[in-house]
Amino acid sequence: QQQVKQSPQSLIVQKGGISIINCAYENTAFDYFPWYQQFPGKGPALLIAIRPDVSEKKEGRFTISFNKSAKQFSLHIMDSQPGDSATYFCAASTQYNQGGKLIFGQGTELSVKP
Amino acid sequence: KAGVTQTPRYLIKTRGQQVTLSCSPISGHRSVSWYQQTPGQGLQFLFEYFSETQRNKGNFPGRFSGRQFSNSRSEMNVSTLELGDSALYLCASSPLATDTQYFGPGTRLTVL
Repeated sequence: QQQVKQSPQSLIVQKGGISIINCAYENTAFDYFPWYQQFPGKGPALLIAIRPDVSEKKEGRFTISFNKSAKQFSLHIMDSQPGDSATYFCAASTQYNQGGKLIFGQGTELSVKP
Repeated sequence: KAGVTQTPRYLIKTRGQQVTLSCSPISGHRSVSWYQQTPGQGLQFLFEYFSETQRNKGNFPGRFSGRQFSNSRSEMNVSTLELGDSALYLCASSPLATDTQYFGPGTRLTVL
């Protein structure tokens, strides 16, 4: 019940295309859903986050779509660029009870071809 | 503001030894969490400290321990190292445990 399942494991997109990464969870107590971007040799960096009271959040080229009834959320990267090539992790937590414990998905390795 | 810093960045140890990793959170952040990242298991939560108290612990053996100091700096210790402990150890800080977590660059531990 604590798992977050992420797909696909890897993704190849042409420059200018849309990258879509999906995550699913079981624990309905989760109330915070961040996405992190990680480049080789670096720590994960927060990209965008959403709480279950909204269905969509957009920041620049990055959009989170959230479906509470299906217990799914996804990251859309519009106009994907080669500089977006990185590993992306979704995560979830019950912020008010779990003392900062983030449950991560397995990650998606994105490659954007020029 | 300076980001989360972790020292050392790289470490090589042999089986049976112990190791201590250090994390300095962003100034003003009082919560520090530790994660282990491996290719097979991904990112897994180790423990979280807030105001020098461990508030949450993940599913790791007792060989993994940590502490936090009054200036919010944190250390984690792994005793009796095993080959499987080879991983990237990440520290994250947040102003309060309920806020966003900001990660450091990690310490790459290799156990031979």
